[in-house]
Amino acid sequence: DTAVSQTPKYLVTQMGNDKSIKCEQNLGHDTMYWYKQDSKKFLKIMFSYNNKELIINETVPNRFSPKSPDKAHLNLHINSLELGDSAVYFCASSQQTVTTEAFFGQGTRLTVV
Amino acid sequence: DAKTTQPNSMESNEEEPVHLPCNHSTISGTDYIHWYRQLPSQGPEYVIHGLTSNVNNRMASLAIAEDRKSSTLILHRATLRDAAVYYCILRRGSQGNLIFGKGTKLSVKP
Repeated sequence: DTAVSQTPKYLVTQMGNDKSIKCEQNLGHDTMYWYKQDSKKFLKIMFSYNNKELIINETVPNRFSPKSPDKAHLNLHINSLELGDSAVYFCASSQQTVTTEAFFGQGTRLTVV
Repeated sequence: DAKTTQPNSMESNEEEPVHLPCNHSTISGTDYIHWYRQLPSQGPEYVIHGLTSNVNNRMASLAIAEDRKSSTLILHRATLRDAAVYYCILRRGSQGNLIFGKGTKLSVKP
């Protein structure tokens, strides 16, 4: 069983489109995250979310929005895609405590053409 | 978020020990030291974490300086599969977000 799963694994789309990436965790964790890894391999946190609070990295454009239908899912919606959005996006989950490990999905490679 | 400093890259020979250093001179009392690694084309994976005492698990050991301003991840016998980028991260207080730096790219030679 995959602990954190993301779909799709690859996504190629045109500029201006709206797309979503889905993330599900089966670990019973209370907190989920989205990270972006750009071409220089730098991993940057975009959002962290639990059932109480959404914390947004202030550098993330408001075209990006996380949506959580339930505790096990945190989907990433991206409106009006731009070339610079091309990257690998990772979903992760953990308990909201510093003493436990986080689990990451395998990533979604988004290419905007 | 407290900052960590790691060498950009290191090399090791297969089956030899590897010591990956990390400096975190601005660490606070509530910061846990976490290590993650990212294998090529994969998501990051947890390696080990600690607060003050040295820690061992099946993957690695973590040696933490007495003043907590530095730590060292020890891979006892490097394998080719250990080639990855290793990230040293301070995970703080109530929020606990993982903020990644640039990490150390470890190459393992046969």
